[in-house]
Amino acid sequence: ETGVTQSPTHLIKTRGQQVTLRCSSQSGHNTVSWYQQALGQGPQFIFQYYREEENGRGNFPPRFSGLQFPNYSSELNVNALELDDSALYLCASSHRDRGEQYFGPGTRLTVT
Amino acid sequence: AQTVTQSQPEMSVQEAETVTLSCTYDTSESDYYLFWYKQPPSRQMILVIRQEAYKQQNATENRFSVNFQKAAKSFSLKISDSQLGDAAMYFCAYRSEASYGKLTFGQGTILTVHP
Repeated sequence: ETGVTQSPTHLIKTRGQQVTLRCSSQSGHNTVSWYQQALGQGPQFIFQYYREEENGRGNFPPRFSGLQFPNYSSELNVNALELDDSALYLCASSHRDRGEQYFGPGTRLTVT
Repeated sequence: AQTVTQSQPEMSVQEAETVTLSCTYDTSESDYYLFWYKQPPSRQMILVIRQEAYKQQNATENRFSVNFQKAAKSFSLKISDSQLGDAAMYFCAYRSEASYGKLTFGQGTILTVHP
């Protein structure tokens, strides 16, 4: 069974740029959720995708957007990067009918 | 909105001893799930244990067990026979039955295990 994978591992961007982060869900899972984790904090829910549509969103502005593909992999896009966007971005996959989510190793984004 | 509170920013335990991490939550819902996740310095979030709110029996996974008190909205994690590999940040998380993908996390507790 293949676990959740994310790419890239680390990324450095300049304020105002755009970034795309990628996630491959665990085999058998049809739902992907994205979280932002600031240093020393708990993860904050960004949004969730199911059947290629956004299906729930946290308190994040529209410049955070995403996609889910037919193979259940997903992308997180962030436009007009701000310094406060520097964080660990976590992707989690799950099966819609079960409770637990399984996380990938995360992408560390640094905005300078 | 649901909230999850972990009141212990840091805890420490001697190897082979037992430690309990606290978590309280606030919700008006009756159907939900609770989880404990472990995040070591490698930063991969690992599921430790889950509890369905409708189950009265406390969940157990090997050395890890929970004390789920639904009326008190309390969900503590007990780690028995602590090992050096248990050292990590531990997060308590809540998921509504209706909200398939949204986990609400607490602030975390850093657990240090002394040899």
